[in-house]
Amino acid sequence: NAGVTQTPKFRVLKTGQSMTLLCAQDMNHEYMYWYRQDPGMGLRLIHYSVGEGTTAKGEVPDGYNVSRLKKQNFLLGLESAAPSQTSVYFCASSRRDTLVGNQPQHFGDGTRLSIL
Amino acid sequence: AQSVSQHNHHVILSEAASLELGCNYSYGGTVNLFWYVQYPGQHLQLLLKYFSGDPLVKGIKGFEAEFIKSKFSFNLRKPSVQWSDTAEYFCAARGGSQGNLIFGKGTKLSVKP
Repeated sequence: NAGVTQTPKFRVLKTGQSMTLLCAQDMNHEYMYWYRQDPGMGLRLIHYSVGEGTTAKGEVPDGYNVSRLKKQNFLLGLESAAPSQTSVYFCASSRRDTLVGNQPQHFGDGTRLSIL
Repeated sequence: AQSVSQHNHHVILSEAASLELGCNYSYGGTVNLFWYVQYPGQHLQLLLKYFSGDPLVKGIKGFEAEFIKSKFSFNLRKPSVQWSDTAEYFCAARGGSQGNLIFGKGTKLSVKP
C-alpha cells in the first residue's frame, strides 16, 4: 500500500499563477485534510473533507479551494498564487471518527511550493 | 479558543540524556491527544496517542507520554535519547469526537552524538 501520495513534490510558481495539488489515499479513509507547515507555526489546517462530495474550511482557508469528487482524492487549488503561500503542504487522511474520536491521521510526504 | 502550546522551540541534548517535551492544551471537555514526529525531510508519523484509560501512554521507539488532566498537560518523555531521535515533535489535540486536530508549533530536538 502506498498510503497517502502527494503530487507534485516540488513546484515553483510565479505570483498570479494557478495550480492544483493532488492527494491520493488507498486506505479507504473517509476523512481527508490539507495542512500547510511554516517554520515556527506548526501545522495549520486549510480545508478538510469528511466524505466524498463534501468539504469544509479549516483555520487558514483564504486563497485556497478544494474538491473531493472521489473518495480517494482530495485536490487543493491555488487560483492566484501569492508569495505568502510559499510553504510546505501536507495532505492527511484518517478513518471516520468513532464516538471516541481517536483516529490518527496518516500523512503524505509533503509538497514544497515556492511562489516568486 | 482551543489551542495547543509547546513551550520549547529547540532542545539540544547529548546522547543518553533524558528527554521531556512539554505540551499543554486548552480544552474544557473530553480531549484526545497525540504526539507526531517528523524526521528531517520526511512526513509526520504518529508516535503515540491518548484517548482514555491509563494516563501513561507508551508509544514507538521507547517514547511515552503522561496525561495529567489537572495540569492540562501531555508531556512526551524518553529515558535515553539517541542521535536518530533528532527530529521535530508535534503535539496535537482534538476536542471530543468531531473537532479538528489542533497542532502545537513543534519542538525541534537535536541530539549530539
